Amino acid sequence: DIVMTQSPDSLAVSLGERVTINCKSSQSVLHSSNNKNYLVWYQQKPGQPPKSLIYWASTRESGVPDRFSGSGSGTDFTLTISSLQAEDVAVYYCQQHHSTPITFGQGTRLEIK
Amino acid sequence: EVQLLESGGALVQPGGSLRLSCAASGFTFSGYGMCWVRQAPGRGLEWLSSITGTGDNTYYADSGKGRFTISRDNSRNTLYLQMNSLRVEDTALYYCARVRDGSRDCWGQGTLVTVSS
Repeated sequence: DIVMTQSPDSLAVSLGERVTINCKSSQSVLHSSNNKNYLVWYQQKPGQPPKSLIYWASTRESGVPDRFSGSGSGTDFTLTISSLQAEDVAVYYCQQHHSTPITFGQGTRLEIK
Repeated sequence: EVQLLESGGALVQPGGSLRLSCAASGFTFSGYGMCWVRQAPGRGLEWLSSITGTGDNTYYADSGKGRFTISRDNSRNTLYLQMNSLRVEDTALYYCARVRDGSRDCWGQGTLVTVSS
């Protein structure tokens, strides 16, 4: 199984500041057939289902603010929020779907400082 | 508008069974794979099972293999998860989600399964 490890587990950042969340996979999630990273970032606010933010590691979902961006390839990935807004308070998860079982990171809780 | 609505969650005793349903609307259901993901109280997300658009192929996490069965009825636009031999550790909020190329882009609100004596 591919193990997804996120860091940090939680962080508190001031409004307007930059946020970086890391995700490391135990094996590469880059598919050689199409050169795509099978890596998704989700945002889950309290009492709500997860919402897909970024797929293929760096493609933003329609309607997601452009302050959210994803980067990385192979085994190391980053979700960046360029300027933290109050509505970004949530738990963020990375997920790989390169191979079954599909696995999620443990989540990173983001709060306002 | 794409919508997914789960139902069927309940309080059940250990060893019992439940069938969860996920009613889909707003898109061509048969054109998409679907999956079930659960979240234990205060915990992270756990993928359970996926099924292709035709229903021909299914995939399971070890935690549900042999106990859970995913299926779909494309004529009713409904996804199912049959859960047998339920354990206390199966207590969770169960979500269905649409599988789009690259992501799980639409999720229901979840249905709560509580396994307790």
